Amino acid sequence: DVKVTQSSRYLVKRTGEKVFLECVQDMDHENMFWYRQDPGLGLRLIYFSYDVKMKEKGDIPEGYSVSREKKERFSLILESASTNQTSMYLCASSLSPGTGNTEAFFGQGTRLTVV
Amino acid sequence: AQTVTQSQPEMSVQEAETVTLSCTYDTSESDYYLFWYKQPPSRQMILVIRQEAYKQQNATENRFSVNFQKAAKSFSLKISDSQLGDAAMYFCAYTYNAGNMLTFGGGTRLMVKP
Repeated sequence: DVKVTQSSRYLVKRTGEKVFLECVQDMDHENMFWYRQDPGLGLRLIYFSYDVKMKEKGDIPEGYSVSREKKERFSLILESASTNQTSMYLCASSLSPGTGNTEAFFGQGTRLTVV
Repeated sequence: AQTVTQSQPEMSVQEAETVTLSCTYDTSESDYYLFWYKQPPSRQMILVIRQEAYKQQNATENRFSVNFQKAAKSFSLKISDSQLGDAAMYFCAYTYNAGNMLTFGGGTRLMVKP
């Protein structure tokens, strides 16, 4: 089974802290994604990566950065956490376009509270 | 830009009954993929069903089926013989390129009454 693992299910951080959310996948997927989930808004794409050291901005990248030093790991960084970044964060991975496999696999989410 | 709209924030169904969740989308692409994902209280997103736009036949997976209307840009999910375990958030999603980023609707919370 494909497994996408997020390092924390719950996090509480203080305003201004630097926060790292880690995601690891074990299926050698090229693509990895970070989404933010808020009630009524569904999931919105923050950043994605289609290869090691490559990254692309999604719909809401402001206040976030990412790092992909190894193929299996994709980190989301909140440089200076703010209360409006309190949310659920979901990591996902998938094979490259052209493989015919369209399914994205998700981690269990990290519920981040910034106080 | 592509958009996905789910107009029903909440739905309720009696156990063993049938329920239909609505989804509309907007795209200028002619070939694309549509999905329904389920998110139970455990928060683990699970793929329920997918549809390739070039296929005219509606996808079916056991009790789950879709009504794909390409011209109307509509993609509804029908759940037959609803079970208590079907209670979850359901998200409709779109991508123009297999394996690429997904655009999600706002979600529909489905409640199943015993």
